[in-house]
Amino acid sequence: GAGVSQSPSNKVTEKGKDVELRCDPISGHTALYWYRQSLGQGLEFLIYFQGNSAPDKSGLPSDRFSAERTGGSVSTLTIQRTQQEDSAVYLCASSLETGNNQPQHFGDGTRLSIL
Amino acid sequence: AQSVTQLGSHVSVSEGALVLLRCNYSSSVPPYLFWYVQYPNQGLQLLLKYTTGATLVKGINGFEAEFKKSETSFHLTKPSAHMSDAAEYFCAVSDRRYSTLTFGKGTMLLVSP
Repeated sequence: GAGVSQSPSNKVTEKGKDVELRCDPISGHTALYWYRQSLGQGLEFLIYFQGNSAPDKSGLPSDRFSAERTGGSVSTLTIQRTQQEDSAVYLCASSLETGNNQPQHFGDGTRLSIL
Repeated sequence: AQSVTQLGSHVSVSEGALVLLRCNYSSSVPPYLFWYVQYPNQGLQLLLKYTTGATLVKGINGFEAEFKKSETSFHLTKPSAHMSDAAEYFCAVSDRRYSTLTFGKGTMLLVSP
């Protein structure tokens, strides 16, 4: 079956522009996670969704970052007024549900470059 | 709070040699522990996981890891390295309630002929 799909795979934009990153999880997976992978910081948790609600937004680095999920499926991560330090690979993962031993399945990521 | 320390950002082995990638964790609750592998320009693929029960866990591609509570370790091993094992490996610990993962910095495994 299809895995986690992320788009675009690459995004280059100018500093100050807004960007939207999309994640389409595995069908039937109720939990969805966003992580950021950068050279300096490694892999960092950003936010997770259980259904359409986001109980834990603690990893979002600033109020320029927001995310939503609709219909318990597709999620969008939005970065407003992008800065150069936002350059990173943004990874999305999904699992059947949160908690216990449900493994997370990762997409191939969106590589974001801010000029 | 949880944290993961992976000793060695790069590990080099010869093909056929033993692979040992080290991981130590810190967790205030009994942990769930994971090893993921990442190939270039790809996402993370789960190698194996420890939740409860048997402390020696076997995963895909011949890898295994042993949970040692007294040492707070979860080292990854493979008896004989293959060229296709060259990749970056991440150890992670999970908050049991929400399953958000805290990752180590990663170890790049280099395999020479």
